[in-house]
Amino acid sequence: DAKTTQPPSMDCAEGRAANLPCNHSTISGNEYVYWYRQIHSQGPQYIIHGLKNNETNEMASLIITEDRKSSTLILPHATLRDTAVYYCIVRPRDDYKLSFGAGTTVTVRA
Amino acid sequence: EADIYQTPRYLVIGTGKKITLECSQTMGHDKMYWYQQDPGMELHLIHYSYGVNSTEKGDLSSESTVSRIRTEHFPLTLESARPSHTSQYLCASSGKSTGNYGYTFGSGTRLTVV
Repeated sequence: DAKTTQPPSMDCAEGRAANLPCNHSTISGNEYVYWYRQIHSQGPQYIIHGLKNNETNEMASLIITEDRKSSTLILPHATLRDTAVYYCIVRPRDDYKLSFGAGTTVTVRA
Repeated sequence: EADIYQTPRYLVIGTGKKITLECSQTMGHDKMYWYQQDPGMELHLIHYSYGVNSTEKGDLSSESTVSRIRTEHFPLTLESARPSHTSQYLCASSGKSTGNYGYTFGSGTRLTVV
């Protein structure tokens, strides 16, 4: 019973914005949305997280819909080094374990 | 610079040997985790710890064991390695300082049992 649904793969052009969708229609009020990425077989890297509001940091922006049933991770200017598997994860406030799922394989093309 | 260290990076070992994979972090995080990942497959949580002398099994059943005697150290042990244990093992830690308990991962240990 997956908590999130992501497309298995997507391509984007270098220098363009990459918009990665995630559906979490069963999210509850005390659950956060986290995004991680895994480049090749390295350990996953934390990108960003949010609860209700949109968030931005030096890596990306996270847009969460008002009903919180979906979100979009935005990489503003994709580079070849952004090629990775991106994971959208829902985590309850009081449970610190993360289930990674299959994620979206993003390929940035020159 | 890495704040969480895993050793060794690569290990090839014979069947039946006892092995310990090391994981140490310098961030003072109270929560630590072990994941197992086969090539091209999903990560699976096999062990976690929310503090010293506290360990729990994860979602994927594993024959490995863990211990947490010190906050910074979370080693994983296989008493008798088998070829089915061949995989990548990733250690992570989390705390308030990392994006509301966001994880920091180590570089992983690639284990091959022959």
